[in-house]
Amino acid sequence: EAGVAQSPRYKIIEKRQSVAFWCNPISGHATLYWYQQILGQGPKLLIQFQNNGVVDDSQLPKDRFSAERLKGVDSTLKIQPAKLEDSAVYLCASSTDRGNTIYFGEGSWLTVV
Amino acid sequence: QQQVKQSPQSLIVQKGGISIINCAYENTAFDYFPWYQQFPGKGPALLIAIRPDVSEKKEGRFTISFNKSAKQFSLHIMDSQPGDSATYFCAARGTGTASKLTFGTGTRLQVTL
Repeated sequence: EAGVAQSPRYKIIEKRQSVAFWCNPISGHATLYWYQQILGQGPKLLIQFQNNGVVDDSQLPKDRFSAERLKGVDSTLKIQPAKLEDSAVYLCASSTDRGNTIYFGEGSWLTVV
Repeated sequence: QQQVKQSPQSLIVQKGGISIINCAYENTAFDYFPWYQQFPGKGPALLIAIRPDVSEKKEGRFTISFNKSAKQFSLHIMDSQPGDSATYFCAARGTGTASKLTFGTGTRLQVTL
């Protein structure tokens, strides 16, 4: 069974530029998550989708971050404009409906300079 | 805001020793407590999990001890091996349809020969 796929794996951008990350969850998983993991910290939930609807985006900085999940499968997370403090690993994860196990991708590493 | 506090931040254990990582939570509205293991450059992976109606769960060398009245839970790694060297995160899942996972800050474990 294929895992959660993410791209790009690494991205370096200048502050105020924009960046987009893509995620393909495990087939059949209705729930998709985007987490932000700053170096030395635990992952922090940015947004959670159930199929193509948002169920939790309370910690998403909506002035600069946006995410969509078209057709309830793939998802894209965008940052525009980026700030230095956005440097982190962006983890996509998926699970079945209220699944106990959340499966993470390997992450997209963002460095903002 | 619901929080999960984790300690220690880092841990060095000799091969064959017992590694113990502790977590405490503040809110009782959690119904599932997983531990995740993360190797450098990889996403977190579910290691073992427990529900609050159980006081202990063991899977191989890994054991979770859960104290509901104290709002604490811990991970014990018996016969620690160099391959266990990784960062470990405890987490807690909220009740309700959102099933949001809140992570601890992580413990970096190093098992020496």
